[in-house]
Amino acid sequence: AQSVTQLDSHVSVSEGTPVLLRCNYSSSYSPSLFWYVQHPNKGLQLLLKYTSAATLVKGINGFEAEFKKSETSFHLTKPSAHMSDAAEYFCVVSDPTGGSYIPTFGRGTSLIVHP
Amino acid sequence: DAGVTQSPTHLIKTRGQQVTLRCSPKSGHDTVSWYQQALGQGPQFIFQYYEEEERQRGNFPDRFSGHQFPNYSSELNVNALLLGDSALYLCASSFFASDRRYNEQFFGPGTRLTVL
Repeated sequence: AQSVTQLDSHVSVSEGTPVLLRCNYSSSYSPSLFWYVQHPNKGLQLLLKYTSAATLVKGINGFEAEFKKSETSFHLTKPSAHMSDAAEYFCVVSDPTGGSYIPTFGRGTSLIVHP
Repeated sequence: DAGVTQSPTHLIKTRGQQVTLRCSPKSGHDTVSWYQQALGQGPQFIFQYYEEEERQRGNFPDRFSGHQFPNYSSELNVNALLLGDSALYLCASSFFASDRRYNEQFFGPGTRLTVL
């Protein structure tokens, strides 16, 4: 069975400093992995996805993530945080468990950006 | 181009009642998925509709049912509401994947359901 663990419920950074949001996954297959962002009162937006191509994935708004199979991790990074990055971030894993690709979302990491 | 729209935005019901939530997919999309997001949790997959049929289903009881119309819009119905059904219900649309792989989905803003 697939599962995903977001290691931090909250991450606090200062504007202009790097961002690291951690995600570990468990899967018996070669999974697809995604990061979504959720701003208040808005729908979730896809930041980036990994689907067994390049292990370093670049997304929108300067975010990127690296798939590390040996560590079963898919951490999200950004070199320099902006105030507009403050939001809830979700890591998602999907594999063909049971013949379907039902996605499993992590519990989310709240990113707080201080001026 | 309108994105995914959902109605209503908020809803208050009492235990035992029934509720219907509505979703219109992004233009050009033919597949609709529904999620339940409890407070402080990540979204949980309820089911997915394509060609007016339920294609995949998560671990939700039969009280949760849905429908997709020929114009690809969708409804989520929940019968015999419980206090624990209070949550944000999200609709997401995408293109159908013949290999059933999880595709990029576009999410609506959600319907906040409160059960008293």
